[in-house]
Amino acid sequence: DQQVKQNSPSLSVQEGRISILNCDYTNSMFDYFLWYKKYPAEGPTFLISISSIKDKNEDGRFTVFLNKSAKHLSLHIVPSQPGDSAVYFCAASGVNRDDKIIFGKGTRLHILP
Amino acid sequence: DSGVTQTPKHLITATGQRVTLRCSPRSGDLSVYWYQQSLDQGLQFLIQYYNGEERAKGNILERFSAQQFPDLHSELNLSSLELGDSALYFCASSVDGGSFYEQYFGPGTRLTVT
Repeated sequence: DQQVKQNSPSLSVQEGRISILNCDYTNSMFDYFLWYKKYPAEGPTFLISISSIKDKNEDGRFTVFLNKSAKHLSLHIVPSQPGDSAVYFCAASGVNRDDKIIFGKGTRLHILP
Repeated sequence: DSGVTQTPKHLITATGQRVTLRCSPRSGDLSVYWYQQSLDQGLQFLIQYYNGEERAKGNILERFSAQQFPDLHSELNLSSLELGDSALYFCASSVDGGSFYEQYFGPGTRLTVT
């Protein structure tokens, strides 16, 4: 049972445009949502997170939106740059220190020149 | 460079064998996490240690075990290896013990079981 789903395995976006990566979750007990980015042959790196008490968090070109009623979050990248080409993982966790983190399968983003 | 080191980078072994993967967390981080990434799968959380004690357990097989030592480095032991255990194994660390904290990932160990 996939509790965190990224339904688009890949996405292509023109350089300079907005990239929107989507993530759905099924467990309403999740309190924290995170996005990680991964380049080939490297480990994932943390991008941005959001607590369930917020509906938006922004960090530079990256904004995460959370819609709790729809159990949906999205990552917006504006403007998209060539270096943004990577695999993006959505993850969810509870807020207790022994809560497990659940990752989605990832979306591969291609930024086209 | 995340500050998390993993050894070895690559490991090729035969079915039925036992291997040990090693992880050194970032300086000052008390928590270590282990993940498995197989083909077409996302990151599967295996187990978390905080300051030497097991904190959370994910989809870790009984053939797998881990520990965190007093110097905070961690080892993941995989035994009775099967072809399906071939995967990338990542270690991550964080300053505190909650999965909601930013985790710093190592470069991974690629395990190939033949």
